[in-house]
This record gives sequence, structure tokens and C-alpha cells, in this order.
Amino acid sequence: AQSVTQPDIHITVSEGASLELRCNYSYGATPYLFWYVQSPGQGLQLLLKYFSGDTLVQGIKGFEAEFKRSQSSFNLRKPSVHWSDAAEYFCAVGDNQFYFGTGTSLTVIP
Amino acid sequence: SAVISQKPSRDICQRGTSLTIQCQVDSQVTMMFWYRQQPGQSLTLIATANQGSEATYESGFVIDKFPISRPNLTFSTLTVSNMSPEDSSIYLCSVMGPAGVEQYFGPGTRLTVT
Repeated sequence: AQSVTQPDIHITVSEGASLELRCNYSYGATPYLFWYVQSPGQGLQLLLKYFSGDTLVQGIKGFEAEFKRSQSSFNLRKPSVHWSDAAEYFCAVGDNQFYFGTGTSLTVIP
Repeated sequence: SAVISQKPSRDICQRGTSLTIQCQVDSQVTMMFWYRQQPGQSLTLIATANQGSEATYESGFVIDKFPISRPNLTFSTLTVSNMSPEDSSIYLCSVMGPAGVEQYFGPGTRLTVT
């Protein structure tokens, strides 16, 4: 069965520190993988996507993610977090139908 | 990416009433989706709405409760019928992107049922 696991419900980092949000998936075929960000009171914004090719993908706002097939993971990273990055982050897998993780809430402290 | 708007952005409704949520896209799209995001939860797909055909509902969602219209390639509505407090959620529409895989989301409609 298709599923997405985001093991960290909530993460707190200091501004300027590096960030890694974990995502593991279960999918029957080669997956399409996505990261979305949801700021308070907002819809979801697509940060980046992986379809094929280079396993390290670059996204908007300085984010990147690495697809590791052997680990069934697609972790999101950012080298230096800004206060404006505080939001809810969702990992998703699928094609016509998406399966979303339960989200990771990011708090950034000054 | 497509620009998607939703109306209303939020509403407070009494139980037993119905609310229709509108989703407008600035370009023609084939596939539109409706999701529900309950408080503190992830997104759950309600249905897929393709123009010219009946909406396809996911398990646990029925047309009588969530009727959907898709009159053209830029517009869709979702009605939440006979509401109860359990229907209090954010309702989001999304569209399939040009690559045919990624989805782009509207800002959501925050519904509170009292």
C-alpha cells in the first residue's frame, strides 16, 4: 500500500542553522515525490519535485531534497534557515493520486 | 504554475446547513481535485473532478454529502451538505500541473460548523 511517513511531528531550529526534514515512503512503482510548504492560514506551495534523473533536486527558497531509493527516503534540507521558513511541511508521493504525510511543523527561534 | 482562487476564504456555518465552495483557475486544466484538511491533520482527497464527467469520490466520501460540479475547464464547486461540527476543516482545491504529475493548490476555505 502507498504511504508516506514523516517521523518528526515538530522540529525547532535556530535561525541560521541547517535543517533536515525526514520523509519515508512506500510506493509500488518508481515514485514521483514532492515537498510542499503551508504557512499559517495559507494553501500549499510546491517547494520541489522529483520525477527522475539527478537524485538531488533543487527547489525554491533555497531548499533541496535528495531521493534515496535504497532507503525509500526523500529528505528535505536547507543549509541556513530563515525565520520566514516557520511553517508546516508536507511530503507527498504519487502521480494522479497523491498520498501526503502527516506533516512536520517547523519553529524557528531567533 | 496556475493561479487558483477559492471563495469564500472562510465561513462559520450552523449545523444542518450547506456551503458551496468555489474554485477558479486562471488557465484551462483537465484535472481538479478537492481535499479536506482537518485540524492538525494532513490532507485527505475527497474527489477528483474532470470536466465533462462525474466526479470520482474516494472511500469514505459520497456524492450526497459532497456534491461537486465542474461546468468548464477553469471552475469547480464543492458543496458540503447538511453540515455537522465534524465537517469543520480546511477545504482545498488543486489542479494538475503542466507536467501532468505535480499539483498546485488554492489558498483553501476554512470552514467552522457550530
